[in-house]
Amino acid sequence: EDQVTQSPEALRLQEGESSSLNCSYTVSGLRGLFWYRQDPGKGPEFLFTLYSAGEEKEKERLKATLTKKESFLHITAPKPEDSATYLCAALYSGGGADGLTFGKGTHLIIQP
Amino acid sequence: NAGVTQTPKFRILKIGQSMTLQCTQDMNHNYMYWYRQDPGMGLKLIYYSVGAGITDKGEVPNGYNVSRSTTEDFPLRLELAAPSQTSVYFCASSYLRAGQTYTDTQYFGPGTRLTVL
Repeated sequence: EDQVTQSPEALRLQEGESSSLNCSYTVSGLRGLFWYRQDPGKGPEFLFTLYSAGEEKEKERLKATLTKKESFLHITAPKPEDSATYLCAALYSGGGADGLTFGKGTHLIIQP
Repeated sequence: NAGVTQTPKFRILKIGQSMTLQCTQDMNHNYMYWYRQDPGMGLKLIYYSVGAGITDKGEVPNGYNVSRSTTEDFPLRLELAAPSQTSVYFCASSYLRAGQTYTDTQYFGPGTRLTVL
């Protein structure tokens, strides 16, 4: 069964304390690995798409990387406004739906 | 450019009532999707559409119906509401370019929070 697993479920950091969020996937025929940010009461906001192992993308304090089994979202010197739930999702060739398979998310809190 | 819009933002239904959740996108995307998000769970795909007049089931379609008469609109219909349909519903859209085998990034609306009592 195609699955996406995110860890940790929740993470509390001090402002400026760098860390990484993990997304492991067991899907066949990965077409793309997506990272979204979701604020309370809002819809997921697109951050990055990674298509092949070794690919990296950066945006401000965030950097996403991809291997054949997992993806990492590295957050460097985070600020309180980076607090949110970060969702990982995989698009794979196994089904006809072309929908995303989502992980449960990592709830990130940055304390000032 | 509003992107993906959804109405209503909130709704409370009684068991057995019906309603339609509205979704509109102004990005000329051919693919549209409906997901539901339950606490502590990942988003689950309910239905999707690859273009006007073409829809198909996702992972959790039971209790829902969809139609797509235009490129812009993709309403989700609940016929006999049940407590198990209490959830937050998100509509999304993406674009499949000619010659590609899979779509570009999916963009999401703000969601509809539905409670069935």
